[in-house]
Amino acid sequence: AQSVTQPDIHITVSEGASLELRCNYSYGATPYLFWYVQSPGQGLQLLLKYFSGDTLVQGIKGFEAEFKRSQSSFNLRKPSVHWSDAAEYFCAVGATMAGTALIFGKGTTLSVSS
Amino acid sequence: DGGITQSPKYLFRKEGQNVTLSCEQNLNHDAMYWYRQDPGQGLRLIYYSQIVNDFQKGDIAEGYSVSREKKESFPLTVTSAQKNPTAFYLCASSTAGSNYGYTFGSGTRLTVV
Repeated sequence: AQSVTQPDIHITVSEGASLELRCNYSYGATPYLFWYVQSPGQGLQLLLKYFSGDTLVQGIKGFEAEFKRSQSSFNLRKPSVHWSDAAEYFCAVGATMAGTALIFGKGTTLSVSS
Repeated sequence: DGGITQSPKYLFRKEGQNVTLSCEQNLNHDAMYWYRQDPGQGLRLIYYSQIVNDFQKGDIAEGYSVSREKKESFPLTVTSAQKNPTAFYLCASSTAGSNYGYTFGSGTRLTVV
């Protein structure tokens, strides 16, 4: 069965430091992969997505993610974190066939310290 | 501007009552989804619909019902059979299939009083 694991429930990073949020997936074929961000009490906003091709994907707000097939991972990175990046981040996997729904990880809460 | 609208933002329900959460989109998306979010649980799929007049159960459909009479609308009813309905509910839409990612509404927080 398809699944997504975000091993870190909560991460604290100093402002200006680099960030990496981990995501591992279980899927029988090459999936579609997504990262979303959620501010408290709000909906989710798409940061970036991977379908195929270049394994390093650029997104909004200075985020990037790298797809590593051998490790079944799709980790999210940012070189320098800003206080406004504090939020909850969700990794999601989608099937390559129509008629299915995204499967989400349980999320990682990012806190930014000054 | 195109988008997806959920209403109300906050909803209070007495035990034993049914309540309906509204979700409307003007993105001309074919597919719509309902997720439930609880702290530490991520998003769990309740129902989804790929086309009008058709929908499928997700992982936690018990105690919920939906309809899809119009492409733009996908209301969710939380029935009295749902034993623990207090949660944050998110509606999303996409082009046919989930392959291109979702656009999310801003959510409805339901509290049982």
